Amino acid sequence: GESVGLHLPTLSVQEGDNSIINCAYSNSASDYFIWYKQESGKGPQFIIDIRSNMDKRQGQRVTVLLNKTVKHLSLQIAATQPGDSAVYFCAENRDSGNTPLVFGKGTRLSVIA
Amino acid sequence: GAVVSQHPSWVICKSGTSVKIECRSLDFQATTMFWYRQFPKKSLMLMATSNEGSKATYEQGVEKDKFLINHASLTLSTLTVTSAHPEDSSFYICSAPAGITNYGYTFGSGTRLTVV
Repeated sequence: GESVGLHLPTLSVQEGDNSIINCAYSNSASDYFIWYKQESGKGPQFIIDIRSNMDKRQGQRVTVLLNKTVKHLSLQIAATQPGDSAVYFCAENRDSGNTPLVFGKGTRLSVIA
Repeated sequence: GAVVSQHPSWVICKSGTSVKIECRSLDFQATTMFWYRQFPKKSLMLMATSNEGSKATYEQGVEKDKFLINHASLTLSTLTVTSAHPEDSSFYICSAPAGITNYGYTFGSGTRLTVV
């Protein structure tokens, strides 16, 4: 569960560099994972998802890697742009569909122009 | 497709008053709605799950008499914060399973509640 009192970790990257955001999940039974981007004052925006029968999935400029052995998820953003600055959350779910997502702590990405 | 419209986007209310937040599914039927609360610089925490036509299920530590949830139709779920206090000030977000590949969950745009 969420640890009360901790602030979001921050990742600062230069524009054009690649970003890697990491997430550790807790439930070994989780079989569906999603990365969300959240800008200030807005709801989460879907980026990419992956199911537990895969270890890698690519989208446009983004790649998600899943390591079930160590329960680790990462989001790679290629050629990071200023518009990528936001808070990124991983979310996990078991029996995707009518059960709620459980969100990770989040990472703030700051892109330096 | 699979849009959830959440209103209001922000609200300021006095202590002791009640505030209602609405989430409507615009182009699909939402039999289930998840309600989250997010404090500044923190993650989304699940408050409750509402199901159309039945009582909501609340997470541990969430007062059901304070956070009233109604899901009377397949397109509308509401969260009412009763007798609001400053510590209830937060960002409230609803989410529904949209049942669409690659977009399994759709989120409302959130409601910023400030209790003064």
